[in-house]
Amino acid sequence: EVQLVESGGGLVQPGGSLKLSCAASGFSFSGSAMHWVRQASGKGLEWVGRIRSKANSYATAYGASVKGRFTISRDDSKNMAYLQMNSLKTEDTAVYYCTRFRQYGEIGAFDIWGQGTMVTVSS
Amino acid sequence: EIVLTQSPGTLSLSPGERATLSCRASQSVSSNYLAWYQQKPGQAPRLLIYGASSRATGIPDRFSGSGSGTDFTLTISRLEPEDFAVYYCQQYGSSPPIFTFGPGTKVDIK
Repeated sequence: EVQLVESGGGLVQPGGSLKLSCAASGFSFSGSAMHWVRQASGKGLEWVGRIRSKANSYATAYGASVKGRFTISRDDSKNMAYLQMNSLKTEDTAVYYCTRFRQYGEIGAFDIWGQGTMVTVSS
Repeated sequence: EIVLTQSPGTLSLSPGERATLSCRASQSVSSNYLAWYQQKPGQAPRLLIYGASSRATGIPDRFSGSGSGTDFTLTISRLEPEDFAVYYCQQYGSSPPIFTFGPGTKVDIK
């Protein structure tokens, strides 16, 4: 079964850190670009960042609101992706989704999504 | 940075009716990287359309996408009860790499 399962969410104080994990199964993880997308309660979707495959040098990119504070990594031997979140702010409170960006030749989209994990930043 | 605008914000329709959702970009985007997603309450988004007009695996043919340049449309030909949800368009720009979602259109039951 094709699946992404996030874990690691929880309550953290402003200024704190948290690391989210994403476990992949049922597809070629090592060849896939993996992304994180978040959604604050009642709000829309916001792209957080991505890590490309080994063939693309594990290149990372981040959204402006998290650049310099968040880091995405991966362990292809474990089919895992990670989101390290530092210097957390109250506005980082959201459900965080792990998702795969699939390339169909020159075309691409987010075709597999996890169920999400909730991160609450509050004192 | 490209901004996506979706209209209307809310679309109130009855089952069986046709839904037309608009996604407009602040500048021209590649159709190859324009996608549409459906999200129901408490669920993750689901890919409907990729490459502006190709249906994802398992998506019924009542869903269709069209458009190019700055104007894109998602059409649901005849609304089924399970189609009442929020719909997001999304685009990818490569230099620098950035992925942008529109604010969403909620399709609710009239």
